[in-house]
Amino acid sequence: KAGVTQTPRYLIKTRGQQVTLSCSPISGHRSVSWYQQTPGQGLQFLFEYFSETQRNKGNFPGRFSGRQFSNSRSEMNVSTLELGDSALYLCASSLKVTANTWELFFGEGSRLTVL
Amino acid sequence: EDQVTQSPEALRLQEGESSSLNCSYTVSGLRGLFWYRQDPGKGPEFLFTLYSAGEEKEKERLKATLTKKESFLHITAPKPEDSATYLCAVQATGGSYIPTFGRGTSLIVHP
Repeated sequence: KAGVTQTPRYLIKTRGQQVTLSCSPISGHRSVSWYQQTPGQGLQFLFEYFSETQRNKGNFPGRFSGRQFSNSRSEMNVSTLELGDSALYLCASSLKVTANTWELFFGEGSRLTVL
Repeated sequence: EDQVTQSPEALRLQEGESSSLNCSYTVSGLRGLFWYRQDPGKGPEFLFTLYSAGEEKEKERLKATLTKKESFLHITAPKPEDSATYLCAVQATGGSYIPTFGRGTSLIVHP
């Protein structure tokens, strides 16, 4: 069974540019979450989508946005890039395993470097 | 506010030297506690889900246990390939299903 696929794996941008990252979840998973991981802050939640609707949102500025398509694939966009946006961006697809618990499965991430 | 604290931040072991990693949590109620392994530059790899105090799960040299306030990841006779960062996360009752992650424990196993 294919895992979570993220593209691109690596990218370099300059300040002020924008970037779009893509995520294909595990087949059958309808929930997709995005996280930012940096050495200083650890894993920080960006947003979660379920059935094309944003269900939860973290504490990130409006420059960070996302969407989900009808096939559950998701994209996130960061506009007006800043140096501090350099990070590993992780996508996770979720499976409901009990009435109250969802398990997250992560992709390999997209490493963004902003110069 | 939900909190997850992992200790130690870093751990160096000799091959074969067993040890434990700790994950302390403060939540109003627990839906599930998760352990992940993360290799440098890669995404976290799911290891275990624990649901209630007293529960234990094993996978190869790893054994995870859970109490009402903390979880331990026991590593028995580790090998260099067990070197990685181990992340703990909790999913709390009430509100969303979004888990809160700890900062992780970086484990290095020397041959």
